[in-house]
Amino acid sequence: DIQMTQSPSSLSASVGDRVTITCRASQSISSYLNWYQQKPGKAPKLLIYAASSLQSGVPSRFSGSGSGTDFTLTISSLQPEDFATYYCQQSYSTLLFTFGPGTKVDIK
Amino acid sequence: QLQLQESGPGLVKPSETLSLTCTVSGGSISSSSYYWGWIRQPPGKGLEWIGSIYYSGSTYYNPSLKSRVTISVDTSKNQFSLKLSSVTAADTAVYYCASIAVAGYNWFDPWGQGTLVTVSS
Repeated sequence: DIQMTQSPSSLSASVGDRVTITCRASQSISSYLNWYQQKPGKAPKLLIYAASSLQSGVPSRFSGSGSGTDFTLTISSLQPEDFATYYCQQSYSTLLFTFGPGTKVDIK
Repeated sequence: QLQLQESGPGLVKPSETLSLTCTVSGGSISSSSYYWGWIRQPPGKGLEWIGSIYYSGSTYYNPSLKSRVTISVDTSKNQFSLKLSSVTAADTAVYYCASIAVAGYNWFDPWGQGTLVTVSS
């Protein structure tokens, strides 16, 4: 099984900050990595697919990068509506998916 | 615009079978563009993929749950369903259904709003 880890598990940041979240896979997954944002009481929302492709309608301050085992999600200038939990998800194993444990971004 | 909605009992007794249905609207469950999946989230915890199905009936399950999970599809009703047997308190969670892109990178989008299932006597 492919295991996913994320760091940090939580972070505190201010509006306007640049925020970077890291996701690591236990083996190479090429670019088969997707990112989601989840706000309390809501379903997750797709932000980034294929490691770096921005989902339609998602603000351009969100970006993704990486390939192989190491990936990052960057928010270039944190906005009040961005305080949420972020999850990565691998799709390299054919139809055997795993999510990372999540990174909670809250207000400093 | 594809929309998904979960439905089913919010309370299940230990050792019984949890049964949920996901109704798809705005598109056909028989589309070759999607798989259909179930994901759960225990209170305060992260996301766990449960399993997925294609309209043809091909299924894919999380190995850790495989012995207890059955996912099925009803194309006539544009629905797919989840059954989880022999539940315990550890199965208490919000259960989400989602569509999964067939093309390439298998992302989950969109998701249903989720339904809380509590396992308790």
